Amino acid sequence: GAVVSQHPSWVICKSGTSVKIECRSLDFQATTMFWYRQFPKQSLMLMATSNEGSKATYEQGVEKDKFLINHASLTLSTLTVTSAHPEDSSFYICSAKDRTISGANVLTFGAGSRLTVL
Amino acid sequence: KQEVTQIPAALSVPEGENLVLNCSFTDSAIYNLQWFRQDPGKGLTSLLLIQSSQREQTSGRLNASLDKSSGRSTLYIAASQPGDSATYLCAVGTGNQFYFGTGTSLTVIP
Repeated sequence: GAVVSQHPSWVICKSGTSVKIECRSLDFQATTMFWYRQFPKQSLMLMATSNEGSKATYEQGVEKDKFLINHASLTLSTLTVTSAHPEDSSFYICSAKDRTISGANVLTFGAGSRLTVL
Repeated sequence: KQEVTQIPAALSVPEGENLVLNCSFTDSAIYNLQWFRQDPGKGLTSLLLIQSSQREQTSGRLNASLDKSSGRSTLYIAASQPGDSATYLCAVGTGNQFYFGTGTSLTVIP
């Protein structure tokens, strides 16, 4: 079945540094990938939609300059948290849509990346 | 905007019981609905996907139903086991987006 790999699974960084999280579709091509953020004991909040070869579409309230998204290929999207602060600490999850499956809108999720900013 | 609600927020049952988790959504114009399982600190595992034209889907001890007109879905778990303990999320697919509910935290007591 479709597999999405997310790396790193957890990261600790100092305040002010930048952190990059990778999302890869391992056995399928994904024209669209989604980035979600999850606060403790809350549901997933969509941050942005990443389309291969074009700029990401950000949800209202999500800072574009803070959360840089690059979807350079059909199998890779990256989320960079720039100048991270403690309030950016969260669980980030990506998902990918298989381009060969039309109409079904089936998403495969990565295992998530836990970011802790000290 | 689609709003998804899950009730109850938490549920604790003894092992072996059958149980039902509820999911409701405000806009019936959906493509599909998906149920996920999330273990603490982990990502999401897809359990069942119901297309908008379907009424239910079954996988093992799990059965999910969909009533678009009333904006409701249920996840039925038969003969619950301690390994079923997790948070269960429903997600409604509209266009190119999924809207998630807040989840039901299930604890199955041995």
